[in-house]
Amino acid sequence: QVQLQESGPGLVKPSETLSLTCTVSGVSINTYYWSWIRQPAGKGLEWVGRVTASGSTNYNPSLKSRLTMSVDASKNQFSLNLRSVNAADTATYYCARDDGSGWFLDWGQGTLVTVSS
Amino acid sequence: DIQMTQSPSSLSASVGDRVTITCRASQSLSNYLNWYQQKPGKAPKLLIYAASSLQSGVPSRFSGSGSGTDFTLTISSLQPEDFATYYCQQSYSTLTWTFGQGTKVEIK
Repeated sequence: QVQLQESGPGLVKPSETLSLTCTVSGVSINTYYWSWIRQPAGKGLEWVGRVTASGSTNYNPSLKSRLTMSVDASKNQFSLNLRSVNAADTATYYCARDDGSGWFLDWGQGTLVTVSS
Repeated sequence: DIQMTQSPSSLSASVGDRVTITCRASQSLSNYLNWYQQKPGKAPKLLIYAASSLQSGVPSRFSGSGSGTDFTLTISSLQPEDFATYYCQQSYSTLTWTFGQGTKVEIK
């Protein structure tokens, strides 16, 4: 059974960096593709970006200039760093798995990140 | 970016009703269209992938159809546990994947 668990600060100050980690269990992180998806309260879903264990990345063009994603295969984890955050980055952030076909097979439970001073 | 438009934005239905949700893309997706169900406070759950393939473990009352720009999700007989928000998602463009705005299915 594949499980994903997000972790990281729930509160980030404006202009600082939002950093989240997703810990994967039940499958090797080397095998699949890994995405972050976010959802502001009461709103729809926005795909943030995708990373593979080889380091290949695809980012949402609207976030690309501020975004870095990476994988730590030794810990079976992948991470997100979003720089220069503002209130519009306040959302629940989900990590998710896809098998390369672009649909999200498994999701973490989500973690709420609030950008506020 | 490929824009995804769902209709309706919300609907009220009764248990046992047949429910249809539509998703329209701003350009052809072939069959690269997926459907998710999201309940309050929970992560989305994959229902349908590649327009019409039922994800393992999903009840057969859910079905998907369509190709190109127009797609539908149908619930043949609405059950109490189906009251939720449904999202379509295109996986055609590897530059960026996009979701529809969601359709909330409420109890009449």
